[in-house]
Amino acid sequence: QQQVKQSPQSLIVQKGGIPIINCAYENTAFDYFPWYQQFPGKGPALLIAIRPDVSEKKEGRFTISFNKSAKQFSLHIMDSQPGDSATYFCAASMLSYPRLSFGAGTTVTVRA
Amino acid sequence: DVKVTQSSRYLVKRTGEKVFLECVQDMDHENMFWYRQDPGLGLRLIYFSYDVKMKEKGDIPEGYSVSREKKERFSLILESASTNQTSMYLCASSLAGRKDTQYFGPGTRLTVL
Repeated sequence: QQQVKQSPQSLIVQKGGIPIINCAYENTAFDYFPWYQQFPGKGPALLIAIRPDVSEKKEGRFTISFNKSAKQFSLHIMDSQPGDSATYFCAASMLSYPRLSFGAGTTVTVRA
Repeated sequence: DVKVTQSSRYLVKRTGEKVFLECVQDMDHENMFWYRQDPGLGLRLIYFSYDVKMKEKGDIPEGYSVSREKKERFSLILESASTNQTSMYLCASSLAGRKDTQYFGPGTRLTVL
């Protein structure tokens, strides 16, 4: 069973909209939460990451919100553009251990 | 830039064949990983290696083995390919000191007939 549960599986927004992807975890030993972005025909690439000592992190139009008590975190894409159309994976890891546990992925389509 | 290359983009094999997938990274990374990607299941770890000749099972190691004889190269072996191993296979690498950032190759789409 997946240690990180991700939803929705897919979503479609209009240009300028704000797609939101949610993830939840159970393992309280997780202390690092990255998001990876994958374009068709490419491997995933690190987009943005957060540690549980902060509740929000922004990089450009991408924002992660983190709720430690609820064991949930989410990705918001502000002012989304057609070029943001991709599959997004949340993940979690323990810094002392090299492996990542990935969510199932969300395919985001931004229509012009 | 980190570069992770995989030997084939597309591969078609028959049931029962032995299949080798090769991955090479050029950034002297200690850690290397093999994942399979299936729709609705995300990325599932098959095996990873934290040093030459060292390996650890991931979440779905059954039917697979790995080899790491040189630091830059990590091979995934399907001893006897089956149709349920049809999938996208992704290799990744990371530094020992930055376990969190994994760099992925472009993937190999394997079809087993």
